[in-house]
Amino acid sequence: EAGVAQSPRYKIIEKRQSVAFWCNPISGHATLYWYQQILGQGPKLLIQFQNNGVVDDSQLPKDRFSAERLKGVDSTLKIQPAKLEDSAVYLCASSLMLLNTEAFFGQGTRLTVV
Amino acid sequence: EDQVTQSPEALRLQEGESSSLNCSYTVSGLRGLFWYRQDPGKGPEFLFTLYSAGEEKEKERLKATLTKKESFLHITAPKPEDSATYLCAVQAGSARQLTFGSGTQLTVLP
Repeated sequence: EAGVAQSPRYKIIEKRQSVAFWCNPISGHATLYWYQQILGQGPKLLIQFQNNGVVDDSQLPKDRFSAERLKGVDSTLKIQPAKLEDSAVYLCASSLMLLNTEAFFGQGTRLTVV
Repeated sequence: EDQVTQSPEALRLQEGESSSLNCSYTVSGLRGLFWYRQDPGKGPEFLFTLYSAGEEKEKERLKATLTKKESFLHITAPKPEDSATYLCAVQAGSARQLTFGSGTQLTVLP
């Protein structure tokens, strides 16, 4: 079974530039998560989708971050404009159902903002 | 607000030296507690799910247990390949998100 695919693996941008990350979840998984993981910390949820609807985006900095999941499959996360403090690993995960099932993670995209 | 605290932050063991990692949580209505392993440069890898106090799960040298306030990940006779960061996460109450702790970085020396 193919895992969660993310691209790119690495991205370096200057502050105030924009960047986009892509995620393809495990086939059949209805729930998709985007997490931000700063070095030395645990993952912090940014946004959670159930199919193509948003379940939770309470911790998403909406003035600069946006995400969409068209057709309930692939998802993109965008940052515009980027700040230095956005440097982190952005992890995408998916799970079969909304509750009580484990989430499977992709390898992440390491973003460096200079 | 759900809170998850892991201790210690870092742990160094000799090969074969058993120990335990702690995950304490403050939530209303625990739905599930999850343990993950994360290797450098990779995403977290799922290990266990525990749903109720008293439950235990085992996988090779790892054993996870759950009480009403905390979970332990016991590592028996660890090997260098067990070196990783171990993360726990909770799903609780009406919240449908996974809230992670900061992790324990485990190093097993040969």
